[in-house]
Amino acid sequence: GAGVSQTPSNKVTEKGKYVELRCDPISGHTALYWYRQSLGQGPEFLIYFQGTGAADDSGLPNDRFFAVRPEGSVSTLKIQRTERGDSAVYLCASSLRGYETQYFGPGTRLLVL
Amino acid sequence: AQKITQTQPGMFVQEKEAVTLDCTYDTSDPSYGLFWYKQPSSGEMIFLIYQGSYDQQNATEGRYSLNFQKARKSANLVISASQLGDSAMYFCAMREAGGTSYGKLTFGQGTILTVHP
Repeated sequence: GAGVSQTPSNKVTEKGKYVELRCDPISGHTALYWYRQSLGQGPEFLIYFQGTGAADDSGLPNDRFFAVRPEGSVSTLKIQRTERGDSAVYLCASSLRGYETQYFGPGTRLLVL
Repeated sequence: AQKITQTQPGMFVQEKEAVTLDCTYDTSDPSYGLFWYKQPSSGEMIFLIYQGSYDQQNATEGRYSLNFQKARKSANLVISASQLGDSAMYFCAMREAGGTSYGKLTFGQGTILTVHP
Protein backbone atom coordinates (compact mmCIF):
# COMPACT_ATOMS: atom_id res chain seq x y z
CA GLY A 1 0.00 0.00 0.00
CA ALA A 2 0.97 3.66 -0.18
CA GLY A 3 3.33 5.00 2.43
CA VAL A 4 3.45 8.42 4.06
CA SER A 5 3.70 11.16 1.47
CA GLN A 6 4.89 14.73 1.93
CA THR A 7 4.66 17.74 -0.31
CA PRO A 8 6.53 19.63 -1.48
CA SER A 9 9.73 17.62 -1.49
CA ASN A 10 11.74 20.83 -1.56
CA LYS A 11 10.78 24.38 -0.63
CA VAL A 12 12.92 27.48 -0.99
CA THR A 13 11.59 30.66 0.55
CA GLU A 14 12.79 34.04 1.69
CA LYS A 15 13.23 35.13 5.27
CA GLY A 16 9.96 36.46 6.66
CA LYS A 17 7.68 34.51 4.34
CA TYR A 18 4.96 32.04 5.32
CA VAL A 19 5.20 28.35 4.34
CA GLU A 20 2.94 25.33 4.55
CA LEU A 21 4.18 21.75 4.51
CA ARG A 22 1.75 18.92 3.90
CA CYS A 23 1.72 15.34 5.15
CA ASP A 24 -0.57 12.55 3.96
CA PRO A 25 -0.33 9.58 6.38
CA ILE A 26 -0.79 5.91 5.69
CA SER A 27 -4.48 5.21 5.27
CA GLY A 28 -6.11 4.21 8.55
CA HIS A 29 -3.33 5.49 10.76
CA THR A 30 -4.79 7.52 13.60
CA ALA A 31 -1.54 8.97 14.94
CA LEU A 32 0.59 11.51 13.06
CA TYR A 33 3.89 13.10 14.05
CA TRP A 34 6.08 15.93 12.82
CA TYR A 35 9.83 15.99 13.36
CA ARG A 36 12.58 18.37 12.26
CA GLN A 37 16.02 17.15 11.25
CA SER A 38 18.97 19.50 10.96
CA LEU A 39 22.02 18.47 8.94
CA GLY A 40 24.01 15.73 10.65
CA GLN A 41 21.55 15.41 13.54
CA GLY A 42 18.83 13.02 14.58
CA PRO A 43 15.21 14.07 14.09
CA GLU A 44 13.68 16.22 16.83
CA PHE A 45 10.05 15.90 17.81
CA LEU A 46 7.72 18.79 17.05
CA ILE A 47 4.11 17.69 17.50
CA TYR A 48 1.95 14.56 17.76
CA PHE A 49 -1.68 14.24 16.68
CA GLN A 50 -4.07 11.55 17.81
CA GLY A 51 -7.01 11.89 15.46
CA THR A 52 -7.78 15.58 14.93
CA GLY A 53 -6.32 16.86 18.16
CA ALA A 54 -2.75 17.68 19.09
CA ALA A 55 -1.92 15.27 21.92
CA ASP A 56 1.53 16.77 22.46
CA ASP A 57 2.87 19.98 20.92
CA SER A 58 5.74 20.40 23.36
CA GLY A 59 8.35 20.28 20.61
CA LEU A 60 7.15 23.30 18.64
CA PRO A 61 10.00 25.79 19.05
CA ASN A 62 7.88 28.96 19.24
CA ASP A 63 4.54 30.44 18.25
CA ARG A 64 5.62 30.88 14.63
CA PHE A 65 5.05 27.14 14.22
CA PHE A 66 1.55 25.70 14.06
CA ALA A 67 0.10 22.44 12.78
CA VAL A 68 -3.41 21.24 12.04
CA ARG A 69 -5.10 17.98 11.16
CA PRO A 70 -8.74 19.01 10.70
CA GLU A 71 -10.20 15.72 9.48
CA GLY A 72 -7.88 13.32 11.22
CA SER A 73 -5.96 12.43 8.09
CA VAL A 74 -3.86 15.00 6.20
CA SER A 75 -1.84 17.39 8.32
CA THR A 76 -0.31 20.76 7.50
CA LEU A 77 2.65 22.27 9.32
CA LYS A 78 2.58 26.05 9.07
CA ILE A 79 5.56 28.31 9.68
CA GLN A 80 5.06 32.07 9.86
CA ARG A 81 7.77 34.72 9.42
CA THR A 82 10.36 32.14 8.48
CA GLU A 83 13.92 32.56 9.70
CA ARG A 84 17.16 31.16 8.30
CA GLY A 85 17.38 28.88 11.35
CA ASP A 86 14.18 27.15 10.25
CA SER A 87 16.09 25.57 7.36
CA ALA A 88 15.96 21.81 7.89
CA VAL A 89 14.27 18.65 6.68
CA TYR A 90 10.75 18.34 8.09
CA LEU A 91 9.74 14.73 8.52
CA CYS A 92 6.25 13.40 8.99
CA ALA A 93 5.44 9.95 10.39
CA SER A 94 2.28 8.02 11.11
CA SER A 95 1.35 4.99 13.17
CA LEU A 96 -1.74 2.85 13.45
CA ARG A 97 -2.18 3.95 17.05
CA GLY A 98 -0.14 6.23 19.28
CA TYR A 99 2.06 3.54 20.80
CA GLU A 100 2.89 1.63 17.65
CA THR A 101 5.76 1.79 15.18
CA GLN A 102 6.07 5.05 13.31
CA TYR A 103 6.55 5.01 9.55
CA PHE A 104 8.18 8.05 8.01
CA GLY A 105 7.64 9.98 4.83
CA PRO A 106 10.43 11.20 2.55
CA GLY A 107 10.53 14.63 4.18
CA THR A 108 10.33 18.21 2.96
CA ARG A 109 13.64 19.99 2.65
CA LEU A 110 13.07 23.64 3.61
CA LEU A 111 15.63 26.29 2.77
CA VAL A 112 15.12 29.82 4.04
CA LEU A 113 17.29 32.37 2.26
CA ALA B 1 21.37 14.37 30.09
CA GLN B 2 21.13 12.75 26.69
CA LYS B 3 18.31 10.27 26.56
CA ILE B 4 19.83 8.34 23.65
CA THR B 5 23.58 8.13 23.12
CA GLN B 6 25.25 6.73 20.04
CA THR B 7 28.98 6.96 20.62
CA GLN B 8 30.16 5.85 17.18
CA PRO B 9 29.96 8.70 14.65
CA GLY B 10 31.17 6.34 11.92
CA MET B 11 31.71 2.62 11.47
CA PHE B 12 33.31 0.61 8.69
CA VAL B 13 32.68 -3.05 7.89
CA GLN B 14 33.70 -5.47 5.19
CA GLU B 15 30.95 -6.89 3.02
CA LYS B 16 29.56 -10.18 4.39
CA GLU B 17 30.85 -9.50 7.90
CA ALA B 18 28.77 -8.65 10.97
CA VAL B 19 28.77 -5.22 12.62
CA THR B 20 27.43 -3.89 15.93
CA LEU B 21 26.14 -0.34 16.30
CA ASP B 22 26.02 0.89 19.89
CA CYS B 23 23.13 2.62 21.64
CA THR B 24 22.66 3.46 25.29
CA TYR B 25 19.59 5.13 26.74
CA ASP B 26 18.48 6.89 29.87
CA THR B 27 14.99 6.73 31.31
CA SER B 28 13.25 6.30 34.64
CA ASP B 29 10.07 5.11 32.96
CA PRO B 30 9.62 1.33 33.48
CA SER B 31 7.70 1.04 30.21
CA TYR B 32 9.48 2.12 27.05
CA GLY B 33 10.27 1.00 23.53
CA LEU B 34 13.50 1.10 21.59
CA PHE B 35 13.70 1.43 17.82
CA TRP B 36 16.33 1.40 15.13
CA TYR B 37 15.88 3.27 11.87
CA LYS B 38 18.03 3.38 8.76
CA GLN B 39 18.39 6.58 6.76
CA PRO B 40 20.05 6.16 3.35
CA SER B 41 21.38 9.15 1.44
CA SER B 42 17.92 9.52 -0.12
CA GLY B 43 16.74 10.78 3.27
CA GLU B 44 13.82 8.52 4.10
CA MET B 45 13.76 6.95 7.57
CA ILE B 46 13.25 3.20 7.30
CA PHE B 47 12.08 1.23 10.35
CA LEU B 48 14.30 -1.78 11.09
CA ILE B 49 13.52 -3.30 14.48
CA TYR B 50 11.70 -2.74 17.78
CA GLN B 51 12.33 -3.90 21.35
CA GLY B 52 9.89 -3.37 24.19
CA SER B 53 11.17 -2.91 27.73
CA TYR B 54 9.19 -5.89 28.97
CA ASP B 55 10.18 -8.21 26.12
CA GLN B 56 12.02 -11.23 27.48
CA GLN B 57 13.82 -12.09 24.28
CA ASN B 58 16.00 -10.00 22.00
CA ALA B 59 14.20 -8.84 18.87
CA THR B 60 15.24 -10.18 15.48
CA GLU B 61 14.19 -9.17 11.96
CA GLY B 62 16.01 -10.99 9.19
CA ARG B 63 19.66 -9.89 9.27
CA TYR B 64 18.96 -7.42 12.07
CA SER B 65 18.99 -8.29 15.75
CA LEU B 66 18.87 -6.14 18.81
CA ASN B 67 21.19 -6.95 21.71
CA PHE B 68 19.07 -5.68 24.60
CA GLN B 69 20.81 -5.41 27.97
CA LYS B 70 18.27 -3.79 30.24
CA ALA B 71 20.44 -3.48 33.36
CA ARG B 72 23.12 -1.70 31.34
CA LYS B 73 20.51 0.34 29.44
CA SER B 74 21.93 -0.63 26.11
CA ALA B 75 20.20 -1.63 22.88
CA ASN B 76 22.84 -2.38 20.30
CA LEU B 77 21.93 -3.21 16.70
CA VAL B 78 23.68 -6.18 15.13
CA ILE B 79 23.68 -6.47 11.35
CA SER B 80 24.83 -9.85 10.11
CA ALA B 81 26.27 -10.57 6.67
CA SER B 82 26.62 -6.88 5.72
CA GLN B 83 25.70 -5.83 2.21
CA LEU B 84 26.76 -2.78 0.21
CA GLY B 85 23.18 -1.51 0.45
CA ASP B 86 23.51 -1.35 4.24
CA SER B 87 25.68 1.76 3.89
CA ALA B 88 23.57 4.49 5.52
CA MET B 89 23.02 6.51 8.68
CA TYR B 90 21.51 4.47 11.53
CA PHE B 91 19.48 6.01 14.34
CA CYS B 92 18.51 4.57 17.69
CA ALA B 93 15.32 6.00 19.18
CA MET B 94 13.26 5.59 22.34
CA ARG B 95 9.61 6.03 23.15
CA GLU B 96 8.65 6.42 26.80
CA ALA B 97 5.17 5.40 27.89
CA GLY B 98 4.64 7.96 30.64
CA GLY B 99 2.43 11.03 30.37
CA THR B 100 1.21 12.57 27.15
CA SER B 101 4.49 12.04 25.34
CA TYR B 102 4.13 8.35 24.79
CA GLY B 103 3.87 8.89 21.07
CA LYS B 104 7.08 10.87 20.81
CA LEU B 105 10.36 9.34 19.67
CA THR B 106 13.65 10.67 20.99
CA PHE B 107 16.54 10.00 18.62
CA GLY B 108 20.27 9.66 19.06
CA GLN B 109 22.83 11.47 16.92
CA GLY B 110 23.23 8.55 14.56
CA THR B 111 26.06 6.36 13.28
CA ILE B 112 27.19 6.39 9.66
CA LEU B 113 27.88 2.86 8.48
CA THR B 114 30.06 2.26 5.44
CA VAL B 115 30.23 -1.22 3.96
CA HIS B 116 33.36 -1.92 1.92
CA PRO B 117 33.39 -4.49 -0.92
